[in-house]
Formats: sequence, structure tokens, C-alpha cells
Amino acid sequence: DVKVTQSSRYLVKRTGEKVFLECVQDMDHENMFWYRQDPGLGLRLIYFSYDVKMKEKGDIPEGYSVSREKKERFSLILESASTNQTSMYLCASSQQGSKETQYFGPGTRLLVL
Amino acid sequence: GDSVTQMEGPVTLSEEAFLTINCTYTATGYPSLFWYVQYPGEGLQLLLKATKADDKGSNKGFEATYRKETTSFHLEKGSVQVSDSAVYFCALDRNSGNTPLVFGKGTRLSVIA
Repeated sequence: DVKVTQSSRYLVKRTGEKVFLECVQDMDHENMFWYRQDPGLGLRLIYFSYDVKMKEKGDIPEGYSVSREKKERFSLILESASTNQTSMYLCASSQQGSKETQYFGPGTRLLVL
Repeated sequence: GDSVTQMEGPVTLSEEAFLTINCTYTATGYPSLFWYVQYPGEGLQLLLKATKADDKGSNKGFEATYRKETTSFHLEKGSVQVSDSAVYFCALDRNSGNTPLVFGKGTRLSVIA
């Protein structure tokens, strides 16, 4: 069965902290994605990656960075967390190419105080 | 640019009512179209998809037909259940290499017994 896991379901951090959100998929997918989900705004793409060590900016990359050192793992980094980064973060993966289904993790709800 | 517009929620229905959630898109070329569903506390999962004009996607009693002439992919179900309460996202894939999906903002459905 297809599986995307995220390191935490809930996370509470303080303003200015460096935050790591980890995502692991076991489907040997080439593509991985990070989104944030906010009420009234839907899903917004932060970063995505088509291959190991490759990354592309999405629609809202400011304040975030990513790392993909291994194919199965895609990390989202908040260099200095701010309260406006309080959100639900969703990771997804898919096979390479178009028309492919994206598989999502359960999400990490991050609260920045 | 490419975009997806879906009806704003929340939508509240009684059990066994008929459901329609409207989705229209703007895209160049011939995108693939998807409906994803997010149950409470979970990540998104694929509900159905259609990859070319006039295709009908169906799953779990839900249906959507890819209408190129009206650039629409409306989600329908003849008789909703309480367990269908969720957020529904319409999305398109540009079918051009590894470009990410474009999501609508989501429509929250609540079904009451």
C-alpha cells in the first residue's frame, strides 16, 4: 500500500526557531511536494522536487527552504519561524510525468508562538 | 496562467440529498482533471480523475465528466451520506512534463443525518 509519512502530526515552536518538517515516501516516486493549507486559501505550493538534490520554487517559497538528499525523503525547513507560518503543512509524492496521481501524507499542524 | 475555480462552501446537505460541487478551469492545451477529498484530520486522497474530454471519472458513487466546451468538471453524487462529510478539491494537471497540479481552494461539505 502506498504510503507518505510526515514526522509529526502536531508541532509547537517559538518565533525565531529553526523548524524541520520531514516527509518520507516508500513508493520510489521521483516527485515530491510541500504545500501549506490555510482556511479560505486552499493548498498553496511551497517547493517541489523532481529528483534527488533538485528543487523548484512553488508559489510561496519565501521563508522556507527544502532539502532532498535521498529519493525517499523531502525536508521542509523554516529558517526562522514566524507566527504567519502557523499552518497545516502537507507533503505529497508522485511518479514522474503528467496525469500521475499525487499521494499525500496526513499533514503536520504547526503552531508558531 | 492556469487556474481552477470551485464553488465556495460550506455546503450543508441532508443525508440522501443530491450533491453538485461546481468546478471550472482555465488552461492551455488539454489538461487532466482530478477531484481529491480530504476527510477530517487526514491528508488528501484521490477521489477520481479524467484525462481527456468527455471522459467520466467515477468512484464511491461520485462522478464527474470532463466537459471541454464548458471547461468544467463538476462533481456529483446522487445520494450523500454522513460519511461523505469532507473537503473536496478540484485540480488540473497541465500534461506538460513535471509541472505540479493546480488546485482549487476546496469546498467543505457537511452532511447531516
